[in-house]
Amino acid sequence: AQTVTQSQPEMSVQEAETVTLSCTYDTSESDYYLFWYKQPPSRQMILVIRQEAYKQQNATENRFSVNFQKAAKSFSLKISDSQLGDAAMYFCAYRSVYGQNFVFGPGTRLSVLP
Amino acid sequence: GAGVSQSPSNKVTEKGKDVELRCDPISGHTALYWYRQSLGQGLEFLIYFQGNSAPDKSGLPSDRFSAERTGGSVSTLTIQRTQQEDSAVYLCASSLAGGTTPGDEQFFGPGTRLTVL
Repeated sequence: AQTVTQSQPEMSVQEAETVTLSCTYDTSESDYYLFWYKQPPSRQMILVIRQEAYKQQNATENRFSVNFQKAAKSFSLKISDSQLGDAAMYFCAYRSVYGQNFVFGPGTRLSVLP
Repeated sequence: GAGVSQSPSNKVTEKGKDVELRCDPISGHTALYWYRQSLGQGLEFLIYFQGNSAPDKSGLPSDRFSAERTGGSVSTLTIQRTQQEDSAVYLCASSLAGGTTPGDEQFFGPGTRLTVL
């Protein structure tokens, strides 16, 4: 079974600075999808960014980018120019191309300091 | 509506009672997922629907938990004889195609916070 690990339960960043959230996963499969979801205090989960494993180019979405290291099974999220609205729980998730469900990590709580 | 809706938003019940949680997915989304999120924890997968059928029930924690989906739309998660350890936020999500397009984005509802006294 696949597992997802987020080793940083909490992180903080100064407004306008850059922060990187870590995620590692374990799988024997060669093709899969990886996701970062954001959950603000409202509880509404929002997709931040996704990456397909066979694509070598790292995904980017505005201020959000990933560092995908397939051999190391690492999928970190970089947030540039952090804003107060970025404060939330961030979840890394894995989905096999063969399976139906998503496997989520335990989350990292990000605080943004003014 | 434009997004996934869930009702009720909060539910307080007594141990031993049955509860029903409802999810209205985005119109046209064929895939529907239920997750459980305990306090301060990540999401625990419960069940997945493709249309009205549930090809993956592997996450249901016990036979007290069941779910159905009718008309390829609304889904109900039922917990019988609730226990205190069932207290959690229950999240529902839907996606356009589900298993046929694994990269599809899941759109989440706001969740139902269940408290079992």
